[in-house]
Amino acid sequence: AQKVTQAQTEISVVEKEDVTLDCVYETRDTTYYLFWYKQPPSGELVFLIRRNSFDEQNEISGRYSWNFQKSTSSFNFTITASQVVDSAVYFCALLNDGATNKLIFGTGTLLAVQP
Amino acid sequence: DVKVTQSSRYLVKRTGEKVFLECVQDMDHENMFWYRQDPGLGLRLIYFSYDVKMKEKGDIPEGYSVSREKKERFSLILESASTNQTSMYLCASSPLSEKERYEQYFGPGTRLTVT
Repeated sequence: AQKVTQAQTEISVVEKEDVTLDCVYETRDTTYYLFWYKQPPSGELVFLIRRNSFDEQNEISGRYSWNFQKSTSSFNFTITASQVVDSAVYFCALLNDGATNKLIFGTGTLLAVQP
Repeated sequence: DVKVTQSSRYLVKRTGEKVFLECVQDMDHENMFWYRQDPGLGLRLIYFSYDVKMKEKGDIPEGYSVSREKKERFSLILESASTNQTSMYLCASSPLSEKERYEQYFGPGTRLTVT
């Protein structure tokens, strides 16, 4: 079975706090890709990152960082020093190699950053 | 910049009406997708197309059909709209190039209400 679980439905933080969004995935394939997308109030999903299953290096991009751990099937996303503009719904997604680009999405986490 | 546009941001239709949702992309992408987004369920794939006149069912195709007569345009059709098709509909596209083909670009969404 292929599945993505985002157990946190909603998170509320105050500006400048750090926040981690959890993502746990299930797949039987050895080659797969993991993604994070951001959906601001405007509605359009914005691609943030793609990771393949052979690359377990953590990645940092400005205030954003991602922690990929195959041992726990997790691909968590941390925002450091959160800002009001980070308020959005964040989706984690899984794609198996050869699956004709069929993304499997988690249910999303609504992040509200209060000023 | 890749641009995916959808014909309407908001649409209200009556039960039993035939509804057309249009999606256009301007980057010559081969793959196009239709998703619906519902609270607590994330994004679910309805149909996708990997070439003109080619289509494949996604996870929830019942009650929907699609049309792809030109490479840049992918239409979602609700033959007889029902209230349980009230949802946010998102269109996406992606290229076939090996490096980029996993990255999907999304439109702003159409919020459809069926009364």
